[in-house]
Amino acid sequence: GQNIDQPTEMTATEGAIVQINCTYQTSGFNGLFWYQQHAGEAPTFLSYNVLDGLEEKGRFSSFLSRSKGYSYLLLKELQMKDSASYLCAVRYNFNKFYFGSGTKLNVKP
Amino acid sequence: DTEVTQTPKHLVMGMTNKKSLKCEQHMGHRAMYWYKQKAKKPPELMFVYSYEKLSINESVPSRFSPECPNSSLLNLHLHALQPEDSALYLCASSQDPRDRRAGELFFGEGSRLTVL
Repeated sequence: GQNIDQPTEMTATEGAIVQINCTYQTSGFNGLFWYQQHAGEAPTFLSYNVLDGLEEKGRFSSFLSRSKGYSYLLLKELQMKDSASYLCAVRYNFNKFYFGSGTKLNVKP
Repeated sequence: DTEVTQTPKHLVMGMTNKKSLKCEQHMGHRAMYWYKQKAKKPPELMFVYSYEKLSINESVPSRFSPECPNSSLLNLHLHALQPEDSALYLCASSQDPRDRRAGELFFGEGSRLTVL
């Protein structure tokens, strides 16, 4: 819902850096969230942006530009266990959380 | 306690059965959600409860009936489902929905439903 767009799939090498982009409809925006999901499991929370700029959390960083309706998740020092789907979720009007279609990240040795 | 607990983990039901999925949280969250997730697809919002009142129904068929008996519990009653309703059903909760600083969704592990 809400035209939340992400690339479908990306491949990167262990130890490298990867950036996963997300664009969204800005009307009613109230926060952007990144989740990681391994197959058959529930999504786990990675990061949250409500103001413009970069939020850093260990190997993961997330950036937000509200005026552009744009965010990215940056994963550094990739590990094999980072192979998963990464979901961009946007909260609209306080309690409507919609998810993008997800980006499947393949980390290769 | 930062958990959202869902039961059962797995459920198999026929198209004429009536069953319920249950969800519980003790984090004092005042918004609770049901999502449906098919394989290789993102979670799809179904229902949102705010302060025990249904605030959002994303045009979900009436064979799915949500209920919020109190601020900690959320049920999803299932009746006359179709095979295409087979999916992972995820419950989630979040802080006070009136607070614009309220944070992320906390998810349960999900109930995997198979409709025969």
